[in-house]
Amino acid sequence: AQTVTQSQPEMSVQEAETVTLSCTYDTSESDYYLFWYKQPPSRQMILVIRQEAYKQQNATENRFSVNFQKAAKSFSLKISDSQLGDAAMYFCAYRASYSGNTGKLIFGQGTTLQVKP
Amino acid sequence: GAVVSQHPSRVICKSGTSVKIECRSLDFQATTMFWYRQFPKQSLMLMATSNEGSKATYEQGVEKDKFLINHASLTLSTLTVTSAHPEDSSFYICSAERTGTEQYFGPGTRLTVT
Repeated sequence: AQTVTQSQPEMSVQEAETVTLSCTYDTSESDYYLFWYKQPPSRQMILVIRQEAYKQQNATENRFSVNFQKAAKSFSLKISDSQLGDAAMYFCAYRASYSGNTGKLIFGQGTTLQVKP
Repeated sequence: GAVVSQHPSRVICKSGTSVKIECRSLDFQATTMFWYRQFPKQSLMLMATSNEGSKATYEQGVEKDKFLINHASLTLSTLTVTSAHPEDSSFYICSAERTGTEQYFGPGTRLTVT
């Protein structure tokens, strides 16, 4: 069975600095998708970034980028120029490939990010 | 963008009563909808997966007779918590997916059972 592990329950970063959130996963599949979701205090889940396992290039979305290491099964999220609005709980998630699968997301435990002014 | 709504956003009910939560995809047809439960400061726990017109698939340990899921159309799924008890108090989140795309999440429903 696939598992996702986030080993940092809490992280803090100074405003304008850079922070990296860690995520490891376990799967025997070769084709899958990885996601980072943000859950602010409103509790609305927001997709931050998505990575297809078949792509070697790391995904980026403005200040957010990932370091995807397929062999190591590692998928970290880097937030550059941190802003107060980045404070939230961040979840790493795994999804099997779309073909013939139900789309079930497997979430990590979450990392609470605090941004200090 | 794809929008998913949930109603109600919060509900308080008495122990022993049933409560229904609606999940709607507003601007797309959802082939699959998912129901999650989340306790404070914890991760999302998948309860069940539902496809329009067919029975929901429940995760291990989730009582299907207690958490009734109906996916009546491509834009509406409902979760009914039957004979609710205080331990059912939680935050319930739905999500909807079109084939081959991401899941889009609803804003959640806070259920309090007194």
